[in-house]
Amino acid sequence: NAGVTQTPKFQVLKTGQSMTLQCAQDMNHNSMYWYRQDPGMGLRLIYYSASEGTTDKGEVPNGYNVSRLNKREFSLRLESAAPSQTSVYFCASSEARKADHSNQPQHFGDGTRLSIL
Amino acid sequence: QQQVKQSPQSLIVQKGGISIINCAYENTAFDYFPWYQQFPGKGPALLIAIRPDVSEKKEGRFTISFNKSAKQFSLHIMDSQPGDSATYFCAASNAGNNRKLIWGLGTSLAVNP
Repeated sequence: NAGVTQTPKFQVLKTGQSMTLQCAQDMNHNSMYWYRQDPGMGLRLIYYSASEGTTDKGEVPNGYNVSRLNKREFSLRLESAAPSQTSVYFCASSEARKADHSNQPQHFGDGTRLSIL
Repeated sequence: QQQVKQSPQSLIVQKGGISIINCAYENTAFDYFPWYQQFPGKGPALLIAIRPDVSEKKEGRFTISFNKSAKQFSLHIMDSQPGDSATYFCAASNAGNNRKLIWGLGTSLAVNP
């Protein structure tokens, strides 16, 4: 039972390089999310996808693009990496809201630790 | 503007003691309040959650207390154990926000043996 799988786990880039972070979930969830986590800043939402075929900006979208490739996969792309994008990136997924309008938990991957020199 | 304020930033508790982490929110439309637990090198994982129609929810040693009038909620860890040492995040969301969570900044808990 893999849950949410992120690749790679670690990456070092030079300023200006591009990179795509991959995320896949095997729980048949509709919603997927990309966060970054920085010391003292908590979790900040970069982009999210409420369902296959839709994406929306979160709190800190500048410098990033996303693709919801299919229901399972949601990728995050850095077109021209900057040192300010050094962070730990988490992907998460959740089931669509049920008929009783209860929220469903977000399930997280183990993160990609990205350093930009 | 931070909509969910979490305190303390860090906490040290002796084994067997009670750990208490507090959160305050501003948006009265919030209707779901989860707590997540994160161990080093791992992603956060849901620990316990509460809706505003109840004032307390207990799961094992973990209890959420909710005060709607004060717009505050807290996590209590009874009989704290070294294995509880982790970072804890509170969060909140409201209906119709596409299931986006508004996160607190986290509390680093260390339980000394």
